[in-house]
Amino acid sequence: DIQMTQSPSSLSASVGDRVTMTCQASQDVRRFLNWYHQKPGKSPKLLIYSAAKLETGGPSRFSGSGSGTDFTLTIDNVQPEDSGTYYCHQYDEVPYTFGLGTNLEI
Amino acid sequence: EVRVEQPGAEVKKPGESLKISCKSSGSRFSDEWIAWVRQMPGKGLEWMGSIYPRNSDTKYNPTFRGQVTVSADKSVTTAYLQWTSLKASDTAMYYCATPRSGTSAAWDNWGPGTLVSVSS
Repeated sequence: DIQMTQSPSSLSASVGDRVTMTCQASQDVRRFLNWYHQKPGKSPKLLIYSAAKLETGGPSRFSGSGSGTDFTLTIDNVQPEDSGTYYCHQYDEVPYTFGLGTNLEI
Repeated sequence: EVRVEQPGAEVKKPGESLKISCKSSGSRFSDEWIAWVRQMPGKGLEWMGSIYPRNSDTKYNPTFRGQVTVSADKSVTTAYLQWTSLKASDTAMYYCATPRSGTSAAWDNWGPGTLVSVSS
């Protein structure tokens, strides 16, 4: 199975900050990498797909980059509603796997 | 907009069987891979398996193969996740999700989840 390692596991930011989190795959996943945001008690929400494509309706302050094994999610001008857990997810190879998440506190 | 409906909760005893549903309003239901994702209490997301309703082709995470069965009825645009003998360790939230058009597993529509509680 492809292991997805996210860092940091948690971080704290202030409104307006720029936040960066990373995801590393244990082997090449090309650009088959998604980012999801989940708030407590809610379903996950797709933010970024195919490593760098912003999901329709997603705020433009979110951006993704990377390919192969190293990926980054950046939030510019972080807002209070951005709190929650962010998961990366590879779908290059079955079984599809998620990282353990980065918990963002605002 | 695609709506995905799931029952809110199921309470079962160990050893009982269960089949939970996932109804999609999407027009592409038959021709997309419908996924099931588990989230145990306080934990992360785990992909369990997916089904392609057009031909009932399935993919399973080896962790869950043999433990659950994924099925679908395209006539009612509904996918199912089934257990024959539940364990306490099956207590979790179970989400179904449908993929973004043009992708196999960028899940842009998620159901609200079914909370399965298994306790004697």
